[in-house]
Amino acid sequence: NAGVMQNPRHLVRRRGQEARLRCSPMKGHSHVYWYRQLPEEGLKFMVYLQKENIIDESGMPKERFSAEFPKEGPSILRIQQVVRGDSAAYFCASSPQNFQETQYFGPGTRLLVL
Amino acid sequence: DAKTTQPPSMDCAEGRAANLPCNHSTISGNEYVYWYRQIHSQGPQYIIHGLKNNETNEMASLIITEDRKSSTLILPHATLRDTAVYYCIVREDKIIFGKGTRLHILP
Repeated sequence: NAGVMQNPRHLVRRRGQEARLRCSPMKGHSHVYWYRQLPEEGLKFMVYLQKENIIDESGMPKERFSAEFPKEGPSILRIQQVVRGDSAAYFCASSPQNFQETQYFGPGTRLLVL
Repeated sequence: DAKTTQPPSMDCAEGRAANLPCNHSTISGNEYVYWYRQIHSQGPQYIIHGLKNNETNEMASLIITEDRKSSTLILPHATLRDTAVYYCIVREDKIIFGKGTRLHILP
């Protein structure tokens, strides 16, 4: 049973470019969460999605960041016009049915902005 | 902010039991105690969780005090591969990570 999958594992972008991070939840899981870990810091919650719905985006920066979880396909975290401060590890987690259940994390995408 | 307090670092000899403490004095009745660990640069790994009773699985044991204001994660026979940052989390829904305990396993 495959775990949470994220790709790419490493992503390099120049300032001003767009970054797209993908997350495929565990089989049977319909809830996805995104977290960001800045260098030498703890993980911070960004957004919680169900299929076709954003449930809680209280941790998302108001500008340049967006997330979606379409009916078909992986969840996407999109960062427009990246800046050096966006360099971080972005982790996705999934749970079966709701926010209260155990979340299982993917291996992360390391974004480096030059 | 995280609702838990953990020592920043601990050492444990390989083969011995590692006992990681956590204080969560403001825990409410609906909140579970969760433990995750993060091995260098990897995604957080779920270890165990509990509400009131002590719990045990193939990885660890979780001891929760009767008043639920503190808990201890026990790794019964620590190995070098258990070197990681261990996060104690009190949650009902959202996960808020604190700074965790950096556990060093000494050969």
